[in-house]
Amino acid sequence: EDKVVQSPLSLVVHEGDTVTLNCSYEVTNFRSLLWYKQEKKAPTFLFMLTSSGIEKKSGRLSSILDKKELFSILNITATQTGDSAIYLCAVVCGSSNTGKLIFGQGTTLQVKP
Amino acid sequence: NAGVTQTPKFRILKIGQSMTLQCAQDMNHNYMYWYRQDPGMGLKLIYYSVGAGITDKGEVPNGYNVSRSTTEDFPLRLELAAPSQTSVYFCASSRLPGQGAGNTIYFGEGSWLTVV
Repeated sequence: EDKVVQSPLSLVVHEGDTVTLNCSYEVTNFRSLLWYKQEKKAPTFLFMLTSSGIEKKSGRLSSILDKKELFSILNITATQTGDSAIYLCAVVCGSSNTGKLIFGQGTTLQVKP
Repeated sequence: NAGVTQTPKFRILKIGQSMTLQCAQDMNHNYMYWYRQDPGMGLKLIYYSVGAGITDKGEVPNGYNVSRSTTEDFPLRLELAAPSQTSVYFCASSRLPGQGAGNTIYFGEGSWLTVV
């Protein structure tokens, strides 16, 4: 059974802190790993990772994938209250004509002023 | 572009009632997905489709049915609503699986369903 697990499930930090969110997966025919941010509506796309060891970066957010150990991390530096959200990890898996998109349970991040 | 359109946005159902959540996309996407999201949780895949006439079960298909008679539409049917189906439902579509490299997953705005 394909599975994506995120940790921690929830996190409370203060502005300026750095946080690391974890995502591990066990799937058949891994194709890519995606990170999303969700604030009360539909998820918004952050990163897509397909290759090990190559960091993707966007402002204060960065992410990296380890395909040998089957996990990814999402780092947020100098956190702001606007970073408060649910962060979702998703994995695209399956054969070339049956791609599924499986989500983890999410990490709820609260950034306090 | 309308993108992915879900209806209704809000609905209250009584236990045992049936209803259909509609999802339509105007981007000629092959891949369409239905997810449910319980409060504070991630998205769980209910059903997905890789093209017209082809559907497959996801992680939590029990209590739901889908059909894909056209490329544009992917309705989700709840036959005998139960309180456990109270959730937010998201429909999504994409040209290819995954995102990036010229491929984007588009999500609908969500449908809030309460079963009482």
